[in-house]
Amino acid sequence: EPEVTQTPSHQVTQMGQEVILRCVPISNHLYFYWYRQILGQKVEFLVSFYNNEISEKSEIFDDQFSVERPDGSNFTLKIRSTKLEDSAMYFCASRYRGRVTGELFFGEGSRLTVL
Amino acid sequence: ELKVEQNPLFLSMQEGKNYTIYCNYSTTSDRLYWYRQDPGKSLESLFVLLSNGAVKQEGRLMASLDTKARLSTLHITAAVHDLSATYFCAVDVRDQLIWGAGTKLIIKP
Repeated sequence: EPEVTQTPSHQVTQMGQEVILRCVPISNHLYFYWYRQILGQKVEFLVSFYNNEISEKSEIFDDQFSVERPDGSNFTLKIRSTKLEDSAMYFCASRYRGRVTGELFFGEGSRLTVL
Repeated sequence: ELKVEQNPLFLSMQEGKNYTIYCNYSTTSDRLYWYRQDPGKSLESLFVLLSNGAVKQEGRLMASLDTKARLSTLHITAAVHDLSATYFCAVDVRDQLIWGAGTKLIIKP
């Protein structure tokens, strides 16, 4: 069964360092998303991406964050200068079309620890 | 502000019992999702509810959606230990999911 894959599964970084989290969405999906979950808390929307541009973003997704689809398969989230409060599990998700088709498929997550 | 409220947030129950988790939301939406999360794991899609009155069942779980009341329920029938997990509801607004805080469900043998 097709799945969303994410790398790395866990990354430890020093505050102020740049981090890139990578995702390979399901191959025929067109809509891509990043969510995050701080340990023990609710899941929060970061950004949605369609047709090579951001379609929605939350207040969390400030200038320190960026997303890119550098080729036909990868979808990346970059944090330019990490802060302690960026420590969280970051989930990539994709779906075939937008809200019409409903189901959103999530990857296994990348745990980011900022020291 | 968009709010999605789940209750209870924590539920400990015995195997074989029935219970319901409630999800109230504050905005107009006709799309609601239920996910399951095991500790340290990803988000597993359980149900996608796409219209008012939608009811879906899978095994011992049944979900329903009342868009007029802005309420969804997840009903557990004759609970078994394997259903122990955290359950989230999420409302689809402008192509972003707004999540409830989750209900941590512990089912004791």
